[in-house]
Amino acid sequence: QVTLRESGPVLVKPTETLTLTCTVSGFSLSDDEVGVSWIRQPPGKALEWLAHIFSNDAKSYATAVETRVTISKDSSNRQVVLTMTNLDPVDTGTYYCARTSHYGDYRYDYWGQGTLVTVSS
Amino acid sequence: DIQMTQSPSTLSASVGDRVIMTCRASQSISSWLAWYQQKPGKAPKLLVYKASNLERGVPSRFTGSGSGTEFTLTISGLQPDDFATYYCHQYNSLFPWTFGQGTRVDIK
Repeated sequence: QVTLRESGPVLVKPTETLTLTCTVSGFSLSDDEVGVSWIRQPPGKALEWLAHIFSNDAKSYATAVETRVTISKDSSNRQVVLTMTNLDPVDTGTYYCARTSHYGDYRYDYWGQGTLVTVSS
Repeated sequence: DIQMTQSPSTLSASVGDRVIMTCRASQSISSWLAWYQQKPGKAPKLLVYKASNLERGVPSRFTGSGSGTEFTLTISGLQPDDFATYYCHQYNSLFPWTFGQGTRVDIK
């Protein structure tokens, strides 16, 4: 059974750094064709794609956040980590991780349940 | 980045209606487009991938079409379970990926 679970702080202060972890089960991050993205959603607003890490460890970032975001993975611990620096209240939202599993066709077949992060002093 | 524009932003319909929503890309993405359904408080669910391929287990009343810059999602015979928000997502590997702003389908 494939699952993804996001974890991290619920409340973060402005200018601080956010670290979120996506822990996966039912598949391996070392599998060919497997990748993981981070996607966020401010309250009442649309989904926003943030970053993706491919099976070969290549990474891609959204232009709007690329100077503040880093994605990495630890296959042995089945984790994908998102780090976002210099947080602002506009970064408040639900953060999802999602899996792609087809090389060249990067649709998300499984999602985590999401974790709500609030940025406030 | 490629901009994805969905229309309409809100669509009011009745059970049994045929509904069509559109997603336009600011430049060609070939067929690298997916559609997701999201209900309040839940993660999105994949409906259609590569513009016109129905995900396994998704009812056949959902149909995706288009290529290049113009895409549509059609629901033929709207069911009570279909009232939700729908997002398109472009995943052309030449560009950073992006989502549309969503189309909410609500009860007329």
